[in-house]
Amino acid sequence: SQTIHQWPATLVQPVGSPLSLECTVEGTSNPNLYWYRQAAGRGLQLLFYSVGIGQISSEVPQNLSASRPQDRQFILSSKKLLLSDSGFYLCAIATGLKSPLHFGNGTRLTVT
Amino acid sequence: TQLLEQSPQFLSIQEGENLTVYCNSSSVFSSLQWYRQEPGEGPVLLVTVVTGGEVKKLKRLTFQFGDARKDSSLHITAAQPGDTGLYLCAGVGGSNYKLTFGKGTLLTVNP
Repeated sequence: SQTIHQWPATLVQPVGSPLSLECTVEGTSNPNLYWYRQAAGRGLQLLFYSVGIGQISSEVPQNLSASRPQDRQFILSSKKLLLSDSGFYLCAIATGLKSPLHFGNGTRLTVT
Repeated sequence: TQLLEQSPQFLSIQEGENLTVYCNSSSVFSSLQWYRQEPGEGPVLLVTVVTGGEVKKLKRLTFQFGDARKDSSLHITAAQPGDTGLYLCAGVGGSNYKLTFGKGTLLTVNP
């Protein structure tokens, strides 16, 4: 079965500091990978998705970036965090574009 | 842009009551998914409905996809405290099969 590892579970960072969140996947190959952000425990905003190594699609202009250096590794980064970057960041996988998503347990990021 | 509106936004009921939450759009979706999310965790898929008019049952949960594939409902019978959580609907549509999420219904079932 598919397993998603996200770390860290919680993170407190000062404004202007860099960010690196990692997501790794087990139990599947060549998945579609997604980064979502959820504010205040409500609706999910798609940030990035990837259909293959090195292929990144950005959904929302912002100071975040994503990379997929390996088939089952997806990284979310920022050079300088803003207060508005606070939120619950979720990594998700799907076997195809129309397939349901399987989510990791998320990282709670607080920018102070 | 395809939008999904969920109602109500918040619902607090007593154990044993029945409830229905709704997911509506002006857009047609090829399929619709329902997820439940508990605090501090990622959403978990409950069901996918594909055919207009389709009804799926998952124990005490009944999901229905509208005939025109623009809306869906989730009915819970005899709610239990374990049903507490954020219920999210998500529609698949468009040429790139992009998934659109509603903002969710936060359900609290009090013992």
